This record gives sequence, C-alpha cells and structure tokens, in this order.
Amino acid sequence: SQQGEEDPQALSIQEGENATMNCSYKTSINNLQWYRQNSGRGLVHLILIRSNEREKHSGRLRVTLDTSKKSSSLLITASRAADTASYFCAPNTGNQFYFGTGTSLTVIP
Amino acid sequence: GAGVSQSPSNKVTEKGKDVELRCDPISGHTALYWYRQSLGQGLEFLIYFQGNSAPDKSGLPSDRFSAERTGGSVSTLTIQRTQQEDSAVYLCASSSAAGGGTEAFFGQGTRLTVV
Repeated sequence: SQQGEEDPQALSIQEGENATMNCSYKTSINNLQWYRQNSGRGLVHLILIRSNEREKHSGRLRVTLDTSKKSSSLLITASRAADTASYFCAPNTGNQFYFGTGTSLTVIP
Repeated sequence: GAGVSQSPSNKVTEKGKDVELRCDPISGHTALYWYRQSLGQGLEFLIYFQGNSAPDKSGLPSDRFSAERTGGSVSTLTIQRTQQEDSAVYLCASSSAAGGGTEAFFGQGTRLTVV
C-alpha cells in the first residue's frame, strides 16, 4: 500500500502541551506532506518535507522524516484549542496522494 | 476563483438515481484529484487527472463511477444508479505541479446522501 498510516488514531491533550503524531509508510517517496482537516470537510496543507530533508519547521509545527525507517512525525508545540482537528500524512511517490485514516487531536482548553 | 470550488455543497438523492458532482480547480493548476471520505474514515483515492495525460482511474470503486475533465479545467464526477454505500463526502483537490510535487488545495467537498 502507498498510503500513510497515522498513529495514534486519537490524541487528547491540555492546552499548552505539545502534541506528537506519527506516520509510517511502506514505499520509497519523493516527499511527504501533512494536512489538517476540520469538521470533516476540505483539508488544509500544513507542511511538505522532501525525501532528502530530515527536519522542517513552520511556526509551531516541526516535522521530521526518517526515510530509513519510512516514518515521519508531526510535532505541534504549545497547542491551542484551535488546533483541534484531524491530521493526515500523505506520502507521495510521484503520483497522487494516498491518505491514511488520520489522527484525531483534541486540545482541551 | 481564489480556491477550489465544489458544487453542490450537499446533495440528497434517491437510491438508483444518477448524480453529478462538479469541481472548479484553481486556475492554472494542471493536476486534479478526487477523493471520497466516509464518516469517520480516511480519504479514499478515486481518480487523478494530470494535464493532457490519460487519467489514473485506479481508485474508482465500480463502473458506476466516472469522471471527466473538460479543457483541462472543470471536472465532473458522475455516479450512476447510486447506492446507499455511496453516501460520503466527495473531495476535490488541485495542485500546480504533477505527481504531488507541491501542495494540494482542497475544496470544501460535496456531502452526498443516498436515501
């Protein structure tokens, strides 16, 4: 399968804590992207990390990629209630995106 | 438009009827994707258009599903003889580069309910 698998399926934390989500995949990739989905509608792109990169930052987001382990992690620091959403990884092999079932994050105010 | 536009936002149809879902991608985007998301589930890939190349239809679940993209812009996903299991949110996305080289921009989806 080319899709990413997110772990954990659900995560609940207090506001201000950090949230870490993991993604595993099975094939070689060109890049890996993370997306957020609110309320079961359209996804919003968060960050793209290329296969030759190991770490990337964007605001409170930090993404790592370990191609030897075929895994990636998304860290959200100093979480806010507004971060409550589902998060999906999308490993890309040069064609379309294959999404997993996502991690449902709940940030408790 | 500024983003990917999908219509209708919601569609209720009777079992056995045909439906058409429309997607207007961002102007100039050559890649267009259709996904389906059932309640509480992940995104299921349906079909991928890239420029003038033959579309990748490998995700279409049955021959009742078809899609076209006219003039490299607007796309229509057609479901014939709808079944209750077709109920889902249908999401369209577009991107400026082929093969997932850049981010995909998603529309807000069409929620299809088959009764």
